[in-house]
Amino acid sequence: RKEVEQDPGPFNVPEGATVAFNCTYSNSASQSFFWYRQDCRKEPKLLMSVYSSGNEDGRFTAQLNRASQYISLLIRDSKLSDSATYLCVVTAYKYIFGTGTRLKVLA
Amino acid sequence: NAGVTQTPKFQVLKTGQSMTLQCAQDMNHNSMYWYRQDPGMGLRLIYYSASEGTTDKGEVPNGYNVSRLNKREFSLRLESAAPSQTSVYFCASSEVTSAVQETQYFGPGTRLLVL
Repeated sequence: RKEVEQDPGPFNVPEGATVAFNCTYSNSASQSFFWYRQDCRKEPKLLMSVYSSGNEDGRFTAQLNRASQYISLLIRDSKLSDSATYLCVVTAYKYIFGTGTRLKVLA
Repeated sequence: NAGVTQTPKFQVLKTGQSMTLQCAQDMNHNSMYWYRQDPGMGLRLIYYSASEGTTDKGEVPNGYNVSRLNKREFSLRLESAAPSQTSVYFCASSEVTSAVQETQYFGPGTRLLVL
């Protein structure tokens, strides 16, 4: 079993739609959780950290479920500019990256 | 404030050639990292340096060496390139922002093709 697993997608959604991604992790001792965004042929950039209480940043909401060992990312009112690959990151003394979920927002 | 910079952006090597990938950060971070990214594999850690003067192996260190030249610079060397090292290489740096969270910032990457 992979340490961090994501559905690779692609998720094709119309502009204005709400889309959600999940990411599961295997190490129950994992400490920190992040979502990164990666545009085609570019470097990953931090989108948001994920806290136990959940957190929101504009149209983006991240949740952590330690009991079931997954994190989620919800994007509301999708924009064309949201098209990218979203990487889940879990840390347990080191960063462990998921392979990413590809999102395409269609006009 | 340039963040994390990497050179070169692109490189083509022949099997057996050597080269050094350069990375520098201007954020005064203690920790620096080298990753490779391959299709379907995600980012994998090659080497890291928790602080100036220290380096440690990551998940896929074979075929690579690193040097933490000073706090700003962390280089990755391929002594004898192989086609399996064709990849995109990212350098990253981080500062511990709390007891448990550590945000990493990435450079723009080096695309390497080994023929």
